[in-house]
Amino acid sequence: SQQGEEDPQALSIQEGENATMNCSYKTSINNLQWYRQNSGRGLVHLILIRSNEREKHSGRLRVTLDTSKKSSSLLITASRAADTASYFCATDAWGNNRLAFGKGNQVVVIP
Amino acid sequence: NAGVTQTPKFQVLKTGQSMTLQCAQDMNHEYMSWYRQDPGMGLRLIHYSVGAGITDQGEVPNGYNVSRSTTEDFPLRLLSAAPSQTSVYFCASCGRGAYEQYFGPGTRLTVT
Repeated sequence: SQQGEEDPQALSIQEGENATMNCSYKTSINNLQWYRQNSGRGLVHLILIRSNEREKHSGRLRVTLDTSKKSSSLLITASRAADTASYFCATDAWGNNRLAFGKGNQVVVIP
Repeated sequence: NAGVTQTPKFQVLKTGQSMTLQCAQDMNHEYMSWYRQDPGMGLRLIHYSVGAGITDQGEVPNGYNVSRSTTEDFPLRLLSAAPSQTSVYFCASCGRGAYEQYFGPGTRLTVT
């Protein structure tokens, strides 16, 4: 079963705007990760947030985590056409970094 | 470093045929995993390994076998392909104690 779910599923924005996507999960976690997948490619790790952290930044990325609501959000600021991709959250659902992925958010940034 | 490599990139099989998807990594990672990605389903874990000689099942292991004779290689075997195994398969690796998984480029498999 899927541990994570992202909402919304698809997002289309203009270059320069911010993109926000959400993820919910079902079990207790030690950490939550976000990955990006460009069309036809493998996934690339973006950022990890630990269960004792509420917010984390990396460049134009901001991740928040609310363990009481079992949810996370990923914000991409000042989006670029190169940010066009699918974004997945993943949790270490079974230990040993065996990841359970959400269904993904497709983001299209229009130049 | 080449990172994680997968072969082939594309494969078409007939129902009942067998094949092996190859995965190799040159980062000396102990953890390796196989995922499948279906439209609207995200990625689902098939099998994983925490080191040479150690493998275990993931979320959707039926119809697949794995072995891990070396740290570098983690092949995935389909014993008797079924149309339900049509998917994109990704191999990933991770260092022990680390969290970031490195993914290969994927193998797109079609079973007719």
